[in-house]
Amino acid sequence: DGGITQSPKYLFRKEGQNVTLSCEQNLNHDAMYWYRQDPGQGLRLIYYSQIVNDFQKGDIAEGYSVSREKKESFPLTVTSAQKNPTAFYLCASSIDPGTSGPQETQYFGPGTRLLVL
Amino acid sequence: QKEVEQNSGPLSVPEGAIASLNCTYSDRGSQSFFWYRQYSGKSPELIMFIYSNGDKEDGRFTAQLNKASQYVSLLIRDSQPSDSATYLCAVSNAGKSTFGDGTTLTVKP
Repeated sequence: DGGITQSPKYLFRKEGQNVTLSCEQNLNHDAMYWYRQDPGQGLRLIYYSQIVNDFQKGDIAEGYSVSREKKESFPLTVTSAQKNPTAFYLCASSIDPGTSGPQETQYFGPGTRLLVL
Repeated sequence: QKEVEQNSGPLSVPEGAIASLNCTYSDRGSQSFFWYRQYSGKSPELIMFIYSNGDKEDGRFTAQLNKASQYVSLLIRDSQPSDSATYLCAVSNAGKSTFGDGTTLTVKP
C-alpha cells in the first residue's frame, strides 16, 4: 500500500527536551510538508521541502528543525525553544509542487499529537 | 487580514439540503485551489481541486472559482450526515499552500 506514515501517534515532551516526529512516504513524491494544527484552527506551515537536501521555512518555523536526506523521509524536531508545542502535527506530500494543477494536491499522514508533560 | 478566509461557522443544514461553503484569498498569484474535508481527530483528505475559472462538478460536490473576485466556493448537494466535518480551503502558489481556518458543517438527520 502506498501512503504516508507518521509516528508516533502520541508523543509526550518534558520541559527542555527535544523530540523528533517521523514522517515517511512511499508515493515517490518530490515535495514534503509539515503543518501544525491547533484546536479550531487551520493548518499552519512549519517547513517544506521540494527536493532532497533542500528545505524552506514556512510561516512558523521558529523552534523547529527538519532534514531531508532521503526522498522518502522528512523528520521534524521540536526543540526546547518551542515554548508552546502542544498541537496536532501533520505531514503531507505532493507529486510536483512546481506545476499548478492536481500535482499540487497534498496527501496527509495520520498525524502526531504532541503533549507537554 | 488573513491570506485565506472562510465563512465563519458552524454551518448547520438539514439532510438533503444544499450546503454552501465560501473562501476568499488575497494572493492574486494563486494558481490552484483545493477543498479538503477533515473529520474530527483525523487528517485532511482531498474533496476537490480547481484551477480554471468556472464550475467543476464531481458527484454531489461542485467547486466554483472566480479569480477576478478572488473567491472559491464548494457546494454540497443532497447533504448527508456523513458530510458532517470541517472543510478546509487551500490556495496554492508555486507549490506552497495556505489553508483557511475551516468551516465546520453539521448535517442534521
